[in-house]
Amino acid sequence: GQQLNQSPQSMFIQEGEDVSMNCTSSSIFNTWLWYKQDPGEGPVLLIALYKAGELTSNGRLTAQFGITRKDSFLNISASIPSDVGIYFCAGQGENNDMRFGAGTRLTVKP
Amino acid sequence: DTGVSQDPRHKITKRGQNVTFRCDPISEHNRLYWYRQTLGQGPEFLTYFQNEAQLEKSRLLSDRFSAERPKGSFSTLEIQRTEQGDSAMYLCASSLGYRGYGYTFGSGTRLTVV
Repeated sequence: GQQLNQSPQSMFIQEGEDVSMNCTSSSIFNTWLWYKQDPGEGPVLLIALYKAGELTSNGRLTAQFGITRKDSFLNISASIPSDVGIYFCAGQGENNDMRFGAGTRLTVKP
Repeated sequence: DTGVSQDPRHKITKRGQNVTFRCDPISEHNRLYWYRQTLGQGPEFLTYFQNEAQLEKSRLLSDRFSAERPKGSFSTLEIQRTEQGDSAMYLCASSLGYRGYGYTFGSGTRLTVV
């Protein structure tokens, strides 16, 4: 089962608004990753984080690796309609397998 | 190279039948992973290969599930005696090495058991 708690489960926002979602775990991870999945497709990597405290940006996306190594957040600034989709956090631990959160479904109203 | 390919994209089968899915990874990737994703959930890890060796299979959901990667290239996932609870999206991913940033996912095979 899932070891990662991702919130919120869904968000309905207006185009242009900023978005924030986060992920927490009872386990320590060495790598945190954020993926986006469109309907009928596999997840696509957005951002990868490798060090506790690391803050990384990719265009309008910013993600941070929590100091405790048990949490991460993803921010999307100035949302646009193509940001619609499901966002997943994933953590990779000592044994290198990757665990996913249950996802945040984002809807952007034009 | 066009990425990770999965075939078929959709499969409808009757309960009790066997099904097999194929995954063709990115050619230079030595690791191949299978995940299952049910509605409203994130992908759930099933098994992975490094070259032709299956290094983790304890999370395969039951003994009805098996996977092979005979020559270290493509892989197959077989489900025997399918049950309605097996209905899900089955995702394949490949990577060069173990770091998460290197995973590339295919588009998945959606299985419906009726």
